[in-house]
Amino acid sequence: SAVISQKPSRDICQRGTSLTIQCQVDSQVTMMFWYRQQPGQSLTLIATANQGSEATYESGFVIDKFPISRPNLTFSTLTVSNMSPEDSSIYLCSVEGAQGSNYGYTFGSGTRLTVV
Amino acid sequence: GDSVTQMEGPVTLSEEAFLTINCTYTATGYPSLFWYVQYPGEGLQLLLKATKADDKGSNKGFEATYRKETTSFHLEKGSVQVSDSAVYFCALSTSGGSYIPTFGRGTSLIVHP
Repeated sequence: SAVISQKPSRDICQRGTSLTIQCQVDSQVTMMFWYRQQPGQSLTLIATANQGSEATYESGFVIDKFPISRPNLTFSTLTVSNMSPEDSSIYLCSVEGAQGSNYGYTFGSGTRLTVV
Repeated sequence: GDSVTQMEGPVTLSEEAFLTINCTYTATGYPSLFWYVQYPGEGLQLLLKATKADDKGSNKGFEATYRKETTSFHLEKGSVQVSDSAVYFCALSTSGGSYIPTFGRGTSLIVHP
């Protein structure tokens, strides 16, 4: 299965600033997915990123707050903009498993964000 | 819509104890079912999966059987180890959801020596 390198692994940021999270995949993939995992909660899908088109955002998430780039088939970034303490979460990127989407997904190691 | 319900944690066990983590689901359509594990400080890893009724997924001593009649996919292990301490997520995916997984809230497992 694909190997995902995600960075930074953690960061502590001041409110009002922005943080860009990077995900690099060791193989070409059509779609990349960005999730948020709030403390003690499950994973919530933020958006789906396709190469060459705008990301598709889930209900409750907007491009101005979470702009996403997908410049090629192996790389994507998620920016958390104008941060507040409520944005403190783990952010994860994900891609389909090698056998296809119906057989599981591979996740990056996550970015643990604390906003103070 | 699709949803997954897991038993609340934390589940605290002694080493070599038997583990069950309950998971039930609701889905429109015929889902595939998954268990993911998240070790401390890491991302999620696929632990096991089952794609049709009565299938049993297994990996690393963990097992789960797809029970369509009870809409369940309970995770079991006969003898847990300290190294199994992690958060376990049950998930499903369906064609109607473009196979993007829907996750449960996760169950924390703590295994004491």
